[in-house]
Formats: sequence, structure tokens, C-alpha cells
Amino acid sequence: QSALTQPASVSGSPGQSITISCTGTSSDIGGYHSVSWFQQHPGQAPKLMIYDVNSRPSGVPDRFSGSKSGNTASLTISGLQAEDEADYYCNSYTRSSSLVFGGGTKLTVL
Amino acid sequence: QVQLVQSGAEVKKPGASVRASCKASGYTFTSYYIHWVRQAPGQGLEWMGVINPSGGSTNYAQKFQGRVTMTRDTSTSTVYMELSSLSSEDTAVYYCARSLRNDVDYWGQGTLVTVSS
Repeated sequence: QSALTQPASVSGSPGQSITISCTGTSSDIGGYHSVSWFQQHPGQAPKLMIYDVNSRPSGVPDRFSGSKSGNTASLTISGLQAEDEADYYCNSYTRSSSLVFGGGTKLTVL
Repeated sequence: QVQLVQSGAEVKKPGASVRASCKASGYTFTSYYIHWVRQAPGQGLEWMGVINPSGGSTNYAQKFQGRVTMTRDTSTSTVYMELSSLSSEDTAVYYCARSLRNDVDYWGQGTLVTVSS
């Protein structure tokens, strides 16, 4: 199972919006509604930000949103804040009943 | 509150095995799968496999098959992950994480495994 494809880095200024893409195949992203996004700050465990493509866990700001089209999922962060600077990983369930992660995207808030 | 508390850091020599533990609390242990995910220094997340604490069934990533074993002890709500034939490439932080179905939600704090001669 190959890793999902994410851009290595994205950046934006405070208050702006950014979108991180995550591309897979019909055997993972395209075949299931089980796409998640995680935020990871240095030295910390990942934190769930989006699940089931576009659902937010309790406590996650509504500035974070998710979507999917075909084999590509996206995470959008609106109204960027300094504390959003972190690494972001996408994740999908797969046809082989496994999970696969993206390579990660480093978000820099300018 | 949901907690996944992992065992402490380990230092192992090449060729040895390591066993990490993940003790769950704050929810019904047998109702959620437990996954193991590792992260090498400066690298991304890599899924290793999953165990169903209810019956003990497992599903391992092809990369680790034959080298990883996941077990559980329902009396202590603890899941174990053993990785054998360690090499320097296995140096990483190993996380456990739970899922109800296909989406992981809570993560443990991680266990650092260092493989060095």
C-alpha cells in the first residue's frame, strides 16, 4: 500500500485560508468515506482534526473543514492563526482493511 | 476521560526484539480497535497494524508481517506490540491509537525505541 500524496509544505499569512490536498486511489480515498486529518506539533502525538471526510470532533474549531472529490481529499483552514503552524497528515481506510497515511505537509504561518 | 498510556523508552541492539505496551482507560476496552503507528525521526506516520481487543484478531501491514505480533490482555485493558529482528531503521516513536470503525481518534503519548549497537 503506497502512501497518500500530500504537498511537502504550504504557507499562509494570519487570517488567510489554505488548502492541503491528499491524493490516493480508488482503493483508499476514492472507495471509502473514511478520510481523516491529523495535526501534529513538534514532540507531540497527532491530534484528530477531521474524520469521515468532513466531520469535526468536539473542540476542533470550525475554521477546519474537509472535503473529498474522487481520489483526492482536502483540508481547508480558514482564518489562519499562529497556533495552526504544525505538520498535517491525511489518513484513509483501504480495501485491504488497513490504514494508509499521507507523507505529511508542513504548514508555515508567515 | 479516554487515555492510552504507553510504556517507557527502550534501547535495543540490532537483532533484538522490543515489546511496547498500551494501557487503555476511560472507555470499554473491547469496543474499540487498537492500531500501532510509528514515526521515524523527522519522518511521517507509518501504519503497522491493528488488533481487535474483543477477539484478538489482527491485521498487519505487509511490510511488517512475520516480524510484528500484537496481543491483548483484557484483564488489564492492555495491548502489546512486539517487533523482532530490529535494525537501525526501526528507530522511531511507536504510537498506539484507537478506532471505533475505520477512523482513529485518540492516541497514546508514544514510545521511543532506539536501535543502536
